[in-house]
Amino acid sequence: EDQVTQSPEALRLQEGESSSLNCSYTVSGLRGLFWYRQDPGKGPEFLFTLYSAGEEKEKERLKATLTKKESFLHITAPKPEDSATYLCAVQAEGAGSYQLTFGKGTKLSVIP
Amino acid sequence: GAVVSQHPSRVICKSGTSVKIECRSLDFQATTMFWYRQFPKKSLMLMATSNEGSKATYEQGVEKDKFLINHASLTLSTLTVTSAHPEDSSFYICSARSASGGETQYFGPGTRLLVL
Repeated sequence: EDQVTQSPEALRLQEGESSSLNCSYTVSGLRGLFWYRQDPGKGPEFLFTLYSAGEEKEKERLKATLTKKESFLHITAPKPEDSATYLCAVQAEGAGSYQLTFGKGTKLSVIP
Repeated sequence: GAVVSQHPSRVICKSGTSVKIECRSLDFQATTMFWYRQFPKKSLMLMATSNEGSKATYEQGVEKDKFLINHASLTLSTLTVTSAHPEDSSFYICSARSASGGETQYFGPGTRLLVL
């Protein structure tokens, strides 16, 4: 059974204080690992897809990396508007309908 | 690009009535659409997968007669909560995967359902 574990559950940062969120996963074969951002009362917003170990992707202050067992979402010099819940999900090879298995998320709060 | 809409954004209904939620892909055609349910401070729980023109596939524990899904076109899927009860109150979110390929699911803004 595919499993995704995110840590920490919650993270408070001062504005400008860089940090990383962790996503550990267990999957029979990885087709893709996805990062989403979710604001309260909204649907998840797509951030990144990573396909193979060693891959990195960046978008503004966010950088996602992937190893064979985990992914990190690095946030550089965060701003209050980066406050949200960040969700990690995996998609297994052979998942005919491309289903996602989600972690429980990390709630990030950036304090001005 | 890759915009998904949902309607309505919020709905309040009386116990025993049925509610229909629409999910539309606005700028792409979606071979597959997914319906999720999210409880407060919890992650997304997949309810069902719908492919255009065929019957939806429901996850274990999800009553297909209670949550009717129709995926009649490549841009529209509907979820109907039949004979709703207070325990059906939740945040329902749809997502869509492009017919042109790719693995990414794009999510709608969600529908908040409150059953009184």
